[in-house]
Amino acid sequence: AQKVTQAQTEISVVEKEDVTLDCVYETRDTTYYLFWYKQPPSGELVFLIRRNSFDEQNEISGRYSWNFQKSTSSFNFTITASQVVDSAVYFCALSEANNAGNMLTFGGGTRLMVKP
Amino acid sequence: GAGVSQSPSNKVTEKGKDVELRCDPISGHTALYWYRQRLGQGLEFLIYFQGNSAPDKSGLPSDRFSAERTGESVSTLTIQRTQQEDSAVYLCASSLVPGQGKDEQYFGPGTRLTVT
Repeated sequence: AQKVTQAQTEISVVEKEDVTLDCVYETRDTTYYLFWYKQPPSGELVFLIRRNSFDEQNEISGRYSWNFQKSTSSFNFTITASQVVDSAVYFCALSEANNAGNMLTFGGGTRLMVKP
Repeated sequence: GAGVSQSPSNKVTEKGKDVELRCDPISGHTALYWYRQRLGQGLEFLIYFQGNSAPDKSGLPSDRFSAERTGESVSTLTIQRTQQEDSAVYLCASSLVPGQGKDEQYFGPGTRLTVT
């Protein structure tokens, strides 16, 4: 069965610091998809990124970057020069291709607090 | 365009009563999902609809939970004889056809259910 672990339940940083959110996953499938979502205080989940298991190329989008390593089953998320608006709960999620519905298995989330 | 909408945004009900939660997916999205998020936790998958196929109910926690979907539009999640442990935020998500490489799920704002 699939599983996603976000060992960091809460992280607090000061604005402009870099911060990395860890995500480790378990799956028996060779084809799967990994996601990160942001849940700000308003509560609505915001899609950030989708990565498929065949694409290990790291991705950068502005201050966000993602490091996917199949060898360690990790899909870590780094925010560079954090800002107060980055304060939110961040969820890593997994879906397996052989699961027709592609329903998501979520980690427990990491609450990021960025202080001014 | 319009995102996923859910109603009501908040619902307070007495233990033992039935409740109905509604979800309007993004137009053109054939897949619809319901998830539950208990306070301070990650999301748990409940049920999945895809077109006219039989729904995947594997995540429903008990037979008090049921859901329907009208074609590829509105869905309702019904909880009968509510219990206090049903208190949570119920999130609906929709996506284009899963497995087609565009299966990011977009979430609604959720319905916060409180059972007293």
